[in-house]
Amino acid sequence: KQEVTQIPAALSVPEGENLVLNCSFTDSAIYNLQWFRQDPGKGLTSLLLIQSSQREQTSGRLNASLDKSSGRSTLYIAASQPGDSATYLCAVSLSSNTGKLIFGQGTTLQVKP
Amino acid sequence: DTGVSQDPRHKITKRGQNVTFRCDPISEHNRLYWYRQTLGQGPEFLTYFQNEAQLEKSRLLSDRFSAERPKGSFSTLEIQRTEQGDSAMYLCASSMKRDTEAFFGQGTRLTVV
Repeated sequence: KQEVTQIPAALSVPEGENLVLNCSFTDSAIYNLQWFRQDPGKGLTSLLLIQSSQREQTSGRLNASLDKSSGRSTLYIAASQPGDSATYLCAVSLSSNTGKLIFGQGTTLQVKP
Repeated sequence: DTGVSQDPRHKITKRGQNVTFRCDPISEHNRLYWYRQTLGQGPEFLTYFQNEAQLEKSRLLSDRFSAERPKGSFSTLEIQRTEQGDSAMYLCASSMKRDTEAFFGQGTRLTVV
């Protein structure tokens, strides 16, 4: 059974700091991995999608890497801003036809001005 | 707005009542998913549609839950005889193909009192 773990559960950093969020999964037979952002009481916003054949994806100040063999992904946020404060979720899509996602519990990030 | 739309955003109901939620996916997306998210947890998969066919249901989806997507467009999720344990955020997502991004709606927050 695929399990996704995110460490740490919560993180507080001063504005301007670079930071890394971690995601690990137990079964390397994934189809892709997606990082999401969730603001309190809101839905999920897709940040980055990495296909299983890719090693990384970049969007603005965000960079996500994927090491499928070791079951790990990281989300790197450069020059953090207070507006980055949110919960960040990673999810893996299993190697099946459905495309359903298995989520981690998330990392809640607070960026202090 | 061409994103995933969910209605209502919030629902408060008494235990034992029936509730129905609606999801309108992105128009060209043929895959539609329902997830449930409780406080402090990542979303959990409930069910998946490809066009109008419901192809997978989670064991979380008890007999009191039913989902439909009658014409392969919008979907409804009904919960009968609600229980306090049904209180959660119900999220809908859609995607075009298995290997493409999943886009989420803003969710319906259900509170059973």
